[in-house]
Amino acid sequence: GQQLNQSPQSMFIQEGEDVSMNCTSSSIFNTWLWYKQDPGEGPVLLIALYKAGELTSNGRLTAQFGITRKDSFLNISASIPSDVGIYFCAGNYNQGGKLIFGQGTELSVKP
Amino acid sequence: EAGVTQFPSHSVIEKGQTVTLRCDPISGHDNLYWYRRVMGKEIKFLLHFVKESKQDESGMPNNRFLAERTGGTYSTLKVQPAELEDSGVYFCASSQEWRGIQYFGAGTRLSVL
Repeated sequence: GQQLNQSPQSMFIQEGEDVSMNCTSSSIFNTWLWYKQDPGEGPVLLIALYKAGELTSNGRLTAQFGITRKDSFLNISASIPSDVGIYFCAGNYNQGGKLIFGQGTELSVKP
Repeated sequence: EAGVTQFPSHSVIEKGQTVTLRCDPISGHDNLYWYRRVMGKEIKFLLHFVKESKQDESGMPNNRFLAERTGGTYSTLKVQPAELEDSGVYFCASSQEWRGIQYFGAGTRLSVL
């Protein structure tokens, strides 16, 4: 089946540092999404990308839909302790509604 | 407006027992999805309802899993009999439109001992 390779698996950074994570696929995706999961909660949508090359920001978060439609990255600038959590990329590659998820990047921020 | 709610939040059962998970989508959302995350791996799709109809059940692992959405409102996911490998977090999501933004519930953590 379709797979997304997300990296890194985990990150330990100092407060104030910038963070970058990415996802790649062997298949073309129509939509790329970035979700964040806080402990005990479900994934919450951060950014949605719908066009190849699209670059979108949401506060300190910036994400891009790769030109080849096979990759996406998420950057977090000036990290703060509340950025801690698991970040998932997800994509939709066919006409159906189901999402394919990456393995997640667990982010830890040291104050 | 209430979000997607799931019940129970945790369930611990023994191998061979039956468990039923429930999901209440956001009111008015016709699309309802079940996903599962096992042992820190990726979140995997199980199935998709449009109203009361199963639109896509390609992710259901085997016939021990039965999902229903009678009346097109809440949905249940029953595992019978449960096996050890069924342990994980089961998420439900709903969306208003076909391929619209999916809103997730907090999940049900299932532990099969």
